[in-house]
Amino acid sequence: SQTIHQWPATLVQPVGSPLSLECTVEGTSNPNLYWYRQAAGRGLQLLFYSVGIGQISSEVPQNLSASRPQDRQFILSSKKLLLSDSGFYLCAWSPQMNTEAFFGQGTRLTVV
Amino acid sequence: AQSVTQLDSQVPVFEEAPVELRCNYSSSVSVYLFWYVQYPNQGLQLLLKYLSGSTLVKGINGFEAEFNKSQTSFHLRKPSVHISDTAEYFCAVRGPTGANNLFFGTGTRLTVIP
Repeated sequence: SQTIHQWPATLVQPVGSPLSLECTVEGTSNPNLYWYRQAAGRGLQLLFYSVGIGQISSEVPQNLSASRPQDRQFILSSKKLLLSDSGFYLCAWSPQMNTEAFFGQGTRLTVV
Repeated sequence: AQSVTQLDSQVPVFEEAPVELRCNYSSSVSVYLFWYVQYPNQGLQLLLKYLSGSTLVKGINGFEAEFNKSQTSFHLRKPSVHISDTAEYFCAVRGPTGANNLFFGTGTRLTVIP
């Protein structure tokens, strides 16, 4: 069966520090991968998605970037965090046939 | 493009009472529809999905939803809720093609009152 791992679960970082959140998927190949952000009291905002290694699409302009160095690895990064980057970040995958998405447990990021 | 509207941001309901969480979508093409549940500080868990076939879909934890194409709705129902059903519920819609076309509603907070 497929599983998705996302870490760390919580992170407190100072303004201006770098960020690296990692997500890996097991039990499937060539998945579509996604990074979402969930602000308090709001829905999910799609940040990045990837349909293959090295293929990254950004949905919104921002202080963040994403990379997919391996088929089942998706990384969310920032060179310098802003206060507004605080939130709950969710990684997800879906099969190439584009049906349902499966989510990781999320990372609570607090920028101080 | 598709979009999703969850009309109720909060729904309080007494334990063992029935509940309906409303979801309407807009799309000019055939879609796939989903309901997810999110417990505090956790990811989203798939409750049920409609891809094709029977319009009444049964999911986990005793939930079901009915796809109504004429009303473009996909309401979630449970005949008797438990305290453990207290969570945030998200409706989502996806068009048949494209990797970036999964759209979520803003969520409904279900609070079950003992």
